[in-house]
Amino acid sequence: AQKITQTQPGMFVQEKEAVTLDCTYDTSDQSYGLFWYKQPSSGEMIFLIYQGSYDEQNATEGRYSLNFQKARKSANLVISASQLGDSAMYFCADIPGTASKLTFGTGTRLQVTL
Amino acid sequence: GAGVSQSPSNKVTEKGKDVELRCDPISGHTALYWYRQSLGQGLEFLIYFQGNSAPDKSGLPSDRFSAERTGGSVSTLTIQRTQQEDSAVYLCASSWTSGGSFSYEQYFGPGTRLTVT
Repeated sequence: AQKITQTQPGMFVQEKEAVTLDCTYDTSDQSYGLFWYKQPSSGEMIFLIYQGSYDEQNATEGRYSLNFQKARKSANLVISASQLGDSAMYFCADIPGTASKLTFGTGTRLQVTL
Repeated sequence: GAGVSQSPSNKVTEKGKDVELRCDPISGHTALYWYRQSLGQGLEFLIYFQGNSAPDKSGLPSDRFSAERTGGSVSTLTIQRTQQEDSAVYLCASSWTSGGSFSYEQYFGPGTRLTVT
């Protein structure tokens, strides 16, 4: 069974600085995918970035990049040049290669300060 | 195009009553998922529909919970004899599959906030 661990319940970062949100996963699948979602106070789940287990390059989407270390089973999210609008809950999730359910971590609440 | 829609956005019900929550997936998406998010928690998988296959019900917490998907599109999640611990935000998501291809990305609706008093 998949398990996602996010050890940082809350993080603070100053505007324009970079921040890393930690995520480790535990899966026995050979093929899987890793996601990060953002959930602002309004409640919607916003897709940020995806990394496939066979992708050799780290995924990047604008200011978001995923630091994928397969041997360590870690998939940390890096947000560069933080903005006030980045303040939200961030969830790491994984999905098996059969593309069924997502398994989510407990989330990290990021607060961007001036 | 239109995203995933859910109704109602908020539902307050008395303990013991039945409730129905509706999800309209993105047109053409054959996969549909229900998740539950309790206060301050991550998302918990409930049930997964994929085309005409039998649904994966492994996440349903009790037999008071059921879901159906009519015509491969709209889905209804039903909770019978609601309990206070059922209070949560219920989120629906959809993704596309076509033949042997699929997208891992799940698009989420805005959720239904259920409060059981």
